[in-house]
Amino acid sequence: AAGVIQSPRHLIKEKRETATLKCYPIPRHDTVYWYQQGPGQDPQFLISFYEKMQSDKGSIPDRFSAQQFSDYHSELNMSSLELGDSALYFCASSLNSGRMNTEAFFGQGTRLTVV
Amino acid sequence: DQQVKQNSPSLSVQEGRISILNCDYTNSMFDYFLWYKKYPAEGPTFLISISSIKDKNEDGRFTVFLNKSAKHLSLHIVPSQPGDSAVYFCAAIDPNFGNEKLTFGTGTRLTIIP
Repeated sequence: AAGVIQSPRHLIKEKRETATLKCYPIPRHDTVYWYQQGPGQDPQFLISFYEKMQSDKGSIPDRFSAQQFSDYHSELNMSSLELGDSALYFCASSLNSGRMNTEAFFGQGTRLTVV
Repeated sequence: DQQVKQNSPSLSVQEGRISILNCDYTNSMFDYFLWYKKYPAEGPTFLISISSIKDKNEDGRFTVFLNKSAKHLSLHIVPSQPGDSAVYFCAAIDPNFGNEKLTFGTGTRLTIIP
């Protein structure tokens, strides 16, 4: 079965550069979430989208922005990268049937290293 | 402020025995709880969930118990198998913050000893 696909899997950037992470949700899933997991830390919620509109916002820095496109894929844009942005970035998707979202399925993550 | 806590960073269990992973939470508004399993270099994989209106949910070898008065839930794996070795995250949803945001615990690394 198709899963959540994230690209790239690994990314190395220098300080002050920009990065774009992509997420392709499971087909027919309309909700996408972004999480950041620093070394030795639990995943932290960044932002989510439902039907191409931002639905919830967590601890996402102002240097980051994200959007969900008409085909439901999402991109996380990160500018003025800092060393502390080095982390695993997970995307998850789910189907919001109007009831409470239950299971979110995660991608394999993008490992961003800022040097 | 860690609203979901997994106080045991690691746990080792003999193959065939029961693994019990614990999770405590502080936010009484959480009404849905999930367990995720994570292998190295992979994203978390959904395991099992429970609504706050229940106290138990069972799926094969996995059972989740919820004690609302104690704000505690646990995941039981019986019998434990070597493939169960992974990091397990407890997560919760507060509907007041939308139905999309999962609040994760810090994870427990489970090692199954053959």
